[in-house]
Amino acid sequence: DAGVTQSPTHLIKTRGQQVTLRCSPKSGHDTVSWYQQALGQGPQFIFQYYEEEERQRGNFPDRFSGHQFPNYSSELNVNALLLGDSALYLCASSSDNSNQPQHFGDGTRLSIL
Amino acid sequence: QQQVKQSPQSLIVQKGGISIINCAYENTAFDYFPWYQQFPGKGPALLIAIRPDVSEKKEGRFTISFNKSAKQFSLHIMDSQPGDSATYFCAASTNTGGFKTIFGAGTRLFVKA
Repeated sequence: DAGVTQSPTHLIKTRGQQVTLRCSPKSGHDTVSWYQQALGQGPQFIFQYYEEEERQRGNFPDRFSGHQFPNYSSELNVNALLLGDSALYLCASSSDNSNQPQHFGDGTRLSIL
Repeated sequence: QQQVKQSPQSLIVQKGGISIINCAYENTAFDYFPWYQQFPGKGPALLIAIRPDVSEKKEGRFTISFNKSAKQFSLHIMDSQPGDSATYFCAASTNTGGFKTIFGAGTRLFVKA
């Protein structure tokens, strides 16, 4: 039973570019959340998708957007990249109809030059 | 009010000793308090979690103590082992996995052999 998988594992971009990160949730999970983890910090909630719609959003600008597909997989898009966007981006999945906790992937390490 | 404050930032413990990490929160709407363990290059993995209707939960060498009136909770790692060396995050949410999770800043634990 595969857990949460994220791709790519590492990515290097330059300022002003756009990036798309991908996440496949754990089997049986229908809810996907995205987090940003800066070096030496705890993960910060970006947003959550359920039934292909953004259900909750953290304190992140509109440059951060996402999408959830009918198979529950999800994408995180970041436009107009800034140096400060360099971080580990984590995807977590959970089941909305269960009392089970979130499961995290190993993240995508994004470096902005 | 959405913050979760965690201390200490770092901790060095001798093998066989007790590691104690403390957290405090403000939002009384939080009703689920998980602890995550994160190794370098990996995503956070759920270690143990508690709800505010109990004051203590133990799973193996890991124990959460919860003080609802003080809005504080702590993680105790008994008989600490070098393999426990990792970063630990406390967190809080208003749902097991269906809503955003607020993380503490993390504690880097090093267990000396």
